[in-house]
Amino acid sequence: DAKTTQPPSMDCAEGRAANLPCNHSTISGNEYVYWYRQIHSQGPQYIIHGLKNNETNEMASLIITEDRKSSTLILPHATLRDTAVYYCIVRGNNAGNMLTFGGGTRLMVKP
Amino acid sequence: GAVVSQHPSRVICKSGTSVKIECRSLDFQATTMFWYRQFPKQSLMLMATSNEGSKATYEQGVEKDKFLINHASLTLSTLTVTSAHPEDSSFYICSAMGQGNYGYTFGSGTRLTVV
Repeated sequence: DAKTTQPPSMDCAEGRAANLPCNHSTISGNEYVYWYRQIHSQGPQYIIHGLKNNETNEMASLIITEDRKSSTLILPHATLRDTAVYYCIVRGNNAGNMLTFGGGTRLMVKP
Repeated sequence: GAVVSQHPSRVICKSGTSVKIECRSLDFQATTMFWYRQFPKQSLMLMATSNEGSKATYEQGVEKDKFLINHASLTLSTLTVTSAHPEDSSFYICSAMGQGNYGYTFGSGTRLTVV
């Protein structure tokens, strides 16, 4: 699986949009971009994933650049409960491909 | 949605004893389960991959005789930490993937403290 690069930490004001970047310059054509988050002392929680089109669900939006070498996860209105470590992961969509976690971004939402 | 139940959430054991952690898929059949370990302020590290009815595949550096994995049914995988030592103290997390479903669902994790 391709490696990803994320900033180690970010702050965001409560109620504002949180934009979390991820670089994945070695991503291959059949690899998806997945985002998970981990709130302290809990298991990771799935947020969203995409291949090349932008995606949106009830939790977040995922913007993938046209060359697919980077992406941005957007939490439109961050709350204190969004404070967590956010992991950007790229993997093939074949059954059995495991998730390999990098360092992630520690997002701190402040009042 | 898919739910994975992991038990216990927290366990303290004495050095030299064994501890079993259970991971159950509650509303789907999990053909493949993954076990991760996470030390404080670090990311999740994959320990092993288990497929129902077959032997687990361990990542490099993970002792298969120390971390016994059993995946005897499509809804249950267990991780047994044998002869635990203080350095085995960590947060253990399981993840399950269902049949024909390429998404992953994670358990809530088990905090193991060996004293």
